[in-house]
Amino acid sequence: QKEVEQNSGPLSVPEGAIASLNCTYSDRGSQSFFWYRQYSGKSPELIMFIYSNGDKEDGRFTAQLNKASQYVSLLIRDSQPSDSATYLCAVNILTNFGNEKLTFGTGTRLTIIP
Amino acid sequence: EAQVTQNPRYLITVTGKKLTVTCSQNMNHEYMSWYRQDPGLGLRQIYYSMNVEVTDKGDVPEGYKVSRKEKRNFPLILESPSPNQTSLYFCASSSGQSSNQPQHFGDGTRLSIL
Repeated sequence: QKEVEQNSGPLSVPEGAIASLNCTYSDRGSQSFFWYRQYSGKSPELIMFIYSNGDKEDGRFTAQLNKASQYVSLLIRDSQPSDSATYLCAVNILTNFGNEKLTFGTGTRLTIIP
Repeated sequence: EAQVTQNPRYLITVTGKKLTVTCSQNMNHEYMSWYRQDPGLGLRQIYYSMNVEVTDKGDVPEGYKVSRKEKRNFPLILESPSPNQTSLYFCASSSGQSSNQPQHFGDGTRLSIL
């Protein structure tokens, strides 16, 4: 089982609709969760981070965390063509050696259709 | 401007010719790390450094070296590059001494080893 799993997509969403991106993780002890956006050929840029169960909203973006079910999601409201990118989920995982490691999923490619 | 600067941005070289990719951050961050990104495999951590005294291997350290002689710099060294090290490389930094804080990424270095 992969430590962090995402559906690779592509996920196509009409402009103005809600895009829903999901991520599951294997380590029950994980405490820190991040969503990054990456345009083709560019570096990842932070969209949201969440540490506690529940929802966290920032503008059109909402991160949702459910530690009991081990998933974290990102909702994008009023999707715009500029939201078309690959979205990376990252989870801070405690390793067998007692240190922490940030593990990325392989990303979900999102396309917003005008 | 707060940033992580990598050089070079692009490099084509030959097998066995030692190379160094520099990384510098101006945010006084303690934690720095190197990732490589390959299609279908996502971002994988090569090495990380919690501070100038602690550096450790990530998931794919073979064939790479790093050093952390001062807080702001974290160069990646390929002593004898091979074609399987052709990839897109990112340096990142964050506050604190673990990976539980948002990462700030450099613009990336695209390496081609012939």
